[in-house]
Amino acid sequence: AQSVTQLDSHVSVSEGTPVLLRCNYSSSYSPSLFWYVQHPNKGLQLLLKYTSAATLVKGINGFEAEFKKSETSFHLTKPSAHMSDAAEYFCVVSDRPNQAGTALIFGKGTTLSVSS
Amino acid sequence: NAGVMQNPRHLVRRRGQEARLRCSPMKGHSHVYWYRQLPEEGLKFMVYLQKENIIDESGMPKERFSAEFPKEGPSILRIQQVVRGDSAAYFCASSDRGYTEAFFGQGTRLTVV
Repeated sequence: AQSVTQLDSHVSVSEGTPVLLRCNYSSSYSPSLFWYVQHPNKGLQLLLKYTSAATLVKGINGFEAEFKKSETSFHLTKPSAHMSDAAEYFCVVSDRPNQAGTALIFGKGTTLSVSS
Repeated sequence: NAGVMQNPRHLVRRRGQEARLRCSPMKGHSHVYWYRQLPEEGLKFMVYLQKENIIDESGMPKERFSAEFPKEGPSILRIQQVVRGDSAAYFCASSDRGYTEAFFGQGTRLTVV
């Protein structure tokens, strides 16, 4: 069975400092992994995705994530936080992505706060 | 190319009423997924539909909830006889193939009073 664990429910950083949001996954097969962001009262926006190509994935707004199979991790990073990055971030796994009947599994989310 | 459109954005219902949530997928997408987000929780899968077919409803409550995706028109998530515990944000997503990148709508926030 597949699952996702976001290790921190809340992360606080200062503007201009690095961001690290941690995610571990469990999957029986080669997974597809995603990070989504949700700003207050807005929908979900895809930040980036890993689908068995390059292990370092670059996304929008300067975010990137590295797939580490040995550690079953897919941590999200950004070198320098901006105030507009404050939002809820979800790590998501999809098992056997081309086979019907498997849904996206969401982590519980990490709230990122950015202070000036 | 419009994104996934959900309406209404906000819906208030009294206990015992019916709630109907609509989702129009992105153009060219025939796969639709519904998710529910309870307060301070991640999204939970409810149901996956293709045109006129329910593919996976393993996340749907057994009673009061139903979903359809007719040949013409939007996908509908229907909740009959709503209770306070149904208050949540309901998100719809669509994709052009099963479980590749899914694009999400802005959600419908249901409040049961």
